[in-house]
Amino acid sequence: DGGITQSPKYLFRKEGQNVTLSCEQNLNHDAMYWYRQDPGQGLRLIYYSQIVNDFQKGDIAEGYSVSREKKESFPLTVTSAQKNPTAFYLCASSIDPPGLRNNEQFFGPGTRLTVL
Amino acid sequence: QKEVEQNSGPLSVPEGAIASLNCTYSDRGSQSFFWYRQYSGKSPELIMSIYSNGDKEDGRFTAQLNKASQYVSLLIRDSQPSDSATYLCAVKETSYDKVIFGPGTSLSVIP
Repeated sequence: DGGITQSPKYLFRKEGQNVTLSCEQNLNHDAMYWYRQDPGQGLRLIYYSQIVNDFQKGDIAEGYSVSREKKESFPLTVTSAQKNPTAFYLCASSIDPPGLRNNEQFFGPGTRLTVL
Repeated sequence: QKEVEQNSGPLSVPEGAIASLNCTYSDRGSQSFFWYRQYSGKSPELIMSIYSNGDKEDGRFTAQLNKASQYVSLLIRDSQPSDSATYLCAVKETSYDKVIFGPGTSLSVIP
């Protein structure tokens, strides 16, 4: 089955801890994205990557870090510097790079992070 | 930061009726427009993409785009209770390598 997987589905973090959210895709997509969704708000872009070993900050990158060592994987680390990390985190990928018009993005199932 | 606006709803329609969801955007140069459906607690699912002015139909869904008015809409014909979800409008802007999402409109189809 082709698709995007995210793990874990639910994650609980204590104050001061770093946590890493996993995102894997077997769609052979070049571009991958991380979004954050808060209740009543649209998705906000955290980071995106167009190719391996390259990534760009989105609108709300502070307190987050990413890596793109493999085409299939784009993990997101939520650091202790992120003051309000409780949210629904969504990973997406697209076959076309962000600069092209037909930038249809497909989402994984999401990780719900709660700070205790 | 360019904006995408949607009525938050909830929009309630009876089963079998036409549901009309609206979206406006601020970047006049935007070229690509997407509609996603998101069930409660789930991730967004792409249901329609539209790039040219006019209508695009796919089954019970019709997307309508008017670039001059900076307006895109989604019509759902013969609405079913299973259509009850939040619908996200997303716009790809010309000057950014990213898609901007609206806050979503909650749709409730009443049996």
